[in-house]
Amino acid sequence: EIVLTQSPATLSLSPGERATLSCRASQSVSSYLAWYQQKPGQAPRLLIYDASNRATGIPARFSGSGSGTDFTLTISSLEPEDFAVYYCQQRSNWPPDGTFGQGTRLEIK
Amino acid sequence: QVQLVQSGSELKKPGASVKVSCKASGYTFTSYAMNWVRQAPGQGLEWMGWINTNTGNPTYAQGFTGRFVFSLDTSVSTAYLQISSLKAEDTAVYYCARVGVYSSGWHGDWFDPWGQGTLVTVSS
Repeated sequence: EIVLTQSPATLSLSPGERATLSCRASQSVSSYLAWYQQKPGQAPRLLIYDASNRATGIPARFSGSGSGTDFTLTISSLEPEDFAVYYCQQRSNWPPDGTFGQGTRLEIK
Repeated sequence: QVQLVQSGSELKKPGASVKVSCKASGYTFTSYAMNWVRQAPGQGLEWMGWINTNTGNPTYAQGFTGRFVFSLDTSVSTAYLQISSLKAEDTAVYYCARVGVYSSGWHGDWFDPWGQGTLVTVSS
């Protein structure tokens, strides 16, 4: 089973600042990594798929990079609505897996 | 538009069973797998497994075998999660989430869209 480790657990920043979130896999997942945003009381929302592709309707300030075992989600200039919890995730058919990282909480400083 | 709508919140006693539904619309239901994800109060996301909506074959993640059953009713484009012998630690929000789809129509390795979630509370 692949383990995804996200860091930091909590990130405290101010609106307008740049946020850099990390996700490390215990073994290579190639580029098959997704990022989600979750706000309180809401379902997760897809931001990035295949490590670097923005989902439909996601603002350009969100970008993803990386391959293999090390991945980064960058928010170039934080907007008030970006403060939320972010999860990375990988999925494979064999062995069947759909692991999530433990999440990074992005909070207002 | 592609949408997943789940059934409402449930309050159950320990030992009872619950069945959560997830109705899909806006696409061909049998073309793409459906996943189930659990989120305990204040905790992260936990992948429970998935069901092949074409064959009905389920795959369960470790920790979700025995009391958890995925099923389908393709005539109404609906996936179901049934949990039996409920325990207090089953209290959580349960999400259905379709596997992602490339513009080519081939399935991807992400989840989109998600249902709105169903809160299952187990308490005596």
